[in-house]
Amino acid sequence: GAGVSQSPSNKVTEKGKDVELRCDPISGHTALYWYRQSLGQGLEFLIYFQGNSAPDKSGLPSDRFSAERTGGSVSTLTIQRTQQEDSAVYLCASSSRAVTDTQYFGPGTRLTVL
Amino acid sequence: GQNIDQPTEMTATEGAIVQINCTYQTSGFNGLFWYQQHAGEAPTFLSYNVLDGLEEKGRFSSFLSRSKGYSYLLLKELQMKDSASYLCAVRASNNAGNNRKLIWGLGTSLAVNP
Repeated sequence: GAGVSQSPSNKVTEKGKDVELRCDPISGHTALYWYRQSLGQGLEFLIYFQGNSAPDKSGLPSDRFSAERTGGSVSTLTIQRTQQEDSAVYLCASSSRAVTDTQYFGPGTRLTVL
Repeated sequence: GQNIDQPTEMTATEGAIVQINCTYQTSGFNGLFWYQQHAGEAPTFLSYNVLDGLEEKGRFSSFLSRSKGYSYLLLKELQMKDSASYLCAVRASNNAGNNRKLIWGLGTSLAVNP
């Protein structure tokens, strides 16, 4: 595809349920990033995948959050036992090893935990 | 620590020029990015600076001084559609040499008034 895609665009869930968010990066991009953005706030880094290297999980807020990237392409962010404070927009970005290594963002998934 | 500072809010008049400043303190430096984010949308890439000086791209220009840890985004001939949040981000090296992750500022919310 031409850009980064994410699904679903919106997700409403009940407190305590698990959710999975999906990201399809730009074809050929080796790096993939997950961010979280609460209303009116800045970008909060969650996790970063680079090729076959071990992911940088330093931004995951708790052990309820996990992510995987299969085949070096699609990534899934899983939130277990969701809490109301998990409500936010979850953004995915990808980049290549081009000169500027610019990150390109998907449209995001708006998660609402009731 | 690593830190990026930018003003929280700015206002300007349609047709005018506005300069949004960004200062950074990072353990290393390997490029500075500016992104635009309209309300309810994902960030979109505007500019990249890695060498000192001014990069011009249409109505938008970005300046970098590495010795001062300083950048600015200059928007000319402001239009109403330029009302958005402008994010400054720096790629800094870390001890592991994994320098692809970006450090993000909280963004400057620009309101363009008629």
